[in-house]
Amino acid sequence: DVKVTQSSRYLVKRTGEKVFLECVQDMDHENMFWYRQDPGLGLRLIYFSYDVKMKEKGDIPEGYSVSREKKERFSLILESASTNQTSMYLCASSQLRAVYGYTFGSGTRLTVV
Amino acid sequence: AQTVTQSQPEMSVQEAETVTLSCTYDTSENNYYLFWYKQPPSRQMILVIRQEAYKQQNATENRFSVNFQKAAKSFSLKISDSQLGDTAMYFCASRNSGNTPLVFGKGTRLSVIA
Repeated sequence: DVKVTQSSRYLVKRTGEKVFLECVQDMDHENMFWYRQDPGLGLRLIYFSYDVKMKEKGDIPEGYSVSREKKERFSLILESASTNQTSMYLCASSQLRAVYGYTFGSGTRLTVV
Repeated sequence: AQTVTQSQPEMSVQEAETVTLSCTYDTSENNYYLFWYKQPPSRQMILVIRQEAYKQQNATENRFSVNFQKAAKSFSLKISDSQLGDTAMYFCASRNSGNTPLVFGKGTRLSVIA
């Protein structure tokens, strides 16, 4: 069964900590994405990547960075976690052609205290 | 820039009835793709149905169908014979041709009542 795996389902971190959210896909997809989901705001794009070592800013990149050293892995990094980064984080992957939608991971609910 | 608007934050429907979720979008492209995703309480986002803008025929997947009005930029989802398992958040999304990210609406929370 093909899938996107996010390393943690729930995470609690302290303000100021460096936080790594990991995402791995086994479908050989070129594209990978990180979204943030908040009630009433839907899904907002943080960063995406079309290829290894390549990244593009989404709509809300401030306070985040990403790393894609291997095709199957896309990491989201919170350099210094803040309480306003408490949210649900969703990773997704897709093939290159736009006709294909995304395959999503099951999300990481991050709480920053 | 692309935008997607879902004007109904919450809806409810009786089991076995039909419900329609609304979605409008805006894009300057002529070729694009539209999607409905379902997110049940388990949080796993599931693709429900997709529509290619160049196709006139409305897409259907079992109990799920869309009403695609290209001129009005409207893409509503109809769920027939609603089941308790249809209770979820539903997100409308669009994606321009080429290799661009999906743009999502804010979602509609649907509750199916027994």
